[in-house]
Amino acid sequence: DAGVTQSPTHLIKTRGQQVTLRCSPKSGHDTVSWYQQALGQGPQFIFQYYEEEERQRGNFPDRFSGHQFPNYSSELNVNALLLGDSALYLCASSLYGTGMNQPQHFGDGTRLSIL
Amino acid sequence: SQQGEEDPQALSIQEGENATMNCSYKTSINNLQWYRQNSGRGLVHLILIRSNEREKHSGRLRVTLDTSKKSSSLLITASRAADTASYFCATDWGTNAGKSTFGDGTTLTVKP
Repeated sequence: DAGVTQSPTHLIKTRGQQVTLRCSPKSGHDTVSWYQQALGQGPQFIFQYYEEEERQRGNFPDRFSGHQFPNYSSELNVNALLLGDSALYLCASSLYGTGMNQPQHFGDGTRLSIL
Repeated sequence: SQQGEEDPQALSIQEGENATMNCSYKTSINNLQWYRQNSGRGLVHLILIRSNEREKHSGRLRVTLDTSKKSSSLLITASRAADTASYFCATDWGTNAGKSTFGDGTTLTVKP
């Protein structure tokens, strides 16, 4: 049973560039949530995708955008990268419509470094 | 600001001892979850406790929830060196899973 997979594992970019991170949800899951985790802090919710639509968004600028494909996989895009975007980006999957009392399953993340 | 706040920020104990971590939150919740994160890795779900539950056990883990005080605690009994990790509490809001608010975690070090 495949868990949540993310790619790439590490990425180095420079300020002003654009980046795309990818996530495949756990088998049987249809919902993907993205989180940003700065060093020494807890994850912060960016947004959630279900049925190829953004369903909920956290307090992040529109430089952060996403997409979900028909196979439930998802991409996170960040434009005009800033030094402050350096972080571990985590993807989590769950099954929509089964109620709120279920855990999310996380991938190992993509470590993004901005120079 | 973060919904959940863990206390203490860091905890160092000897193998075999018990470790207790606390979490406080600010608003009404559907549930509270505890996760473990090893350095540089993703989060591993430990326990989910619903807002109408007061205590839950899983192996060496015991979680309590006091909604009147808006607080929760995680107890790890008979700790092992492999328990060394960061522990986060997260509260879920909304009508579906996946929109969680995390605290900044407790870093636990278990010395052999």
